[in-house]
Amino acid sequence: NAGVTQTPKFQVLKTGQSMTLQCAQDMNHNSMYWYRQDPGMGLRLIYYSASEGTTDKGEVPNGYNVSRLNKREFSLRLESAAPSQTSVYFCASSGLAVQETQYFGPGTRLLVL
Amino acid sequence: TQLLEQSPQFLSIQEGENLTVYCNSSSVFSSLQWYRQEPGEGPVLLVTVVTGGEVKKLKRLTFQFGDARKDSSLHITAAQPGDTGLYLCAVELRSNYKLTFGKGTLLTVNP
Repeated sequence: NAGVTQTPKFQVLKTGQSMTLQCAQDMNHNSMYWYRQDPGMGLRLIYYSASEGTTDKGEVPNGYNVSRLNKREFSLRLESAAPSQTSVYFCASSGLAVQETQYFGPGTRLLVL
Repeated sequence: TQLLEQSPQFLSIQEGENLTVYCNSSSVFSSLQWYRQEPGEGPVLLVTVVTGGEVKKLKRLTFQFGDARKDSSLHITAAQPGDTGLYLCAVELRSNYKLTFGKGTLLTVNP
């Protein structure tokens, strides 16, 4: 099993450009999450999907949109990138029980110029 | 106000030393998780503590959940360079499958 995979690994954008970060999991998990990690700020939840067909905002959703394409895939879209969105983005997945482990992907490093 | 306060923020020690890092809150939690994140990778779960006063051991790592379930500590005995990483505590609020993370303790173990 590959676990949680993310593409791309690195990306450089210019301000105003758009892009989609892809995430897929092969663990048959119901829940999927997108986080951003910034120095001194820890991991902050952007959006999550408790189950296929549902998405909800997290702590820092502004400037992002998500799509739960199917049970395996959860994408994050930046419509008009801003320098403040320079960050490392992590996708995670988990089962549907309390205290479930979240499994993280390797991250996407995004630089917005 | 941060829900979870982790201390220290940074810790640099020599191989073989012992250390303790802390995760504190004014709120009571039903459980608490510890993750380790190695450079360039995503976090990986180390342990989940559930019962107040609970102590769990994972080789040289000892985790304790406070009696009042408001805080937790992670003690590493005889640290090794492979222990280098960011140690994050996390709690699940309102059983809604979302985790809230502390800002982490960045540990560097020098050979």
